Amino acid sequence: RKEVEQDPGPFNVPEGATVAFNCTYSNSASQSFFWYRQDCRKEPKLLMSVYSSGNEDGRFTAQLNRASQYISLLIRDSKLSDSATYLCVVNMDPISNFGNEKLTFGTGTRLTIIP
Amino acid sequence: DGGITQSPKYLFRKEGQNVTLSCEQNLNHDAMYWYRQDPGQGLRLIYYSQIVNDFQKGDIAEGYSVSREKKESFPLTVTSAQKNPTAFYLCASTGDRGYEQYFGPGTRLTVT
Repeated sequence: RKEVEQDPGPFNVPEGATVAFNCTYSNSASQSFFWYRQDCRKEPKLLMSVYSSGNEDGRFTAQLNRASQYISLLIRDSKLSDSATYLCVVNMDPISNFGNEKLTFGTGTRLTIIP
Repeated sequence: DGGITQSPKYLFRKEGQNVTLSCEQNLNHDAMYWYRQDPGQGLRLIYYSQIVNDFQKGDIAEGYSVSREKKESFPLTVTSAQKNPTAFYLCASTGDRGYEQYFGPGTRLTVT
């Protein structure tokens, strides 16, 4: 089993639709979780951290389910500019020190918003 | 402007040659990281450094070497011992927000 697993897609979704995808992780002791966005041939950029209580940032909602070991990302009212690859990222080090973040990256889910 | 720079953006080398990729940051971050990304795969950690003059091997360090003589700089050398060096190489750093890793624009290395 992969440490961090995502459906690679691609997902083609009409503009304005709501889209959601999950990511599962193998280590139950994982401490922190993130969604990064990566545009084609560019570097990843942090989209949002994922908190235990769930969190929302505009049209984006992230949730964590520790019991089932998955995190999710929901995008509402999708825009053409949301087209990108979304990387699920997990810190699996149970004793993580400040400035010592060994992150494990999923392979990414590719999303294309269609006009 | 603060950020991470990597140069060059595209690099071509012949097999058997060592090549050094640069990574510079002016964010005053202590921790820096090197990853490689291959098509269809997630980012894989090559080396990381928490502080000047100290660095640790990541998951795929074989065939690579690094140095951390200055806080701002963390160059990566891809040696001829690396079997499949063609990849997209990303440098990152972590700062006062703790967990967020900021990435440079990357260097695409092609070895023929």
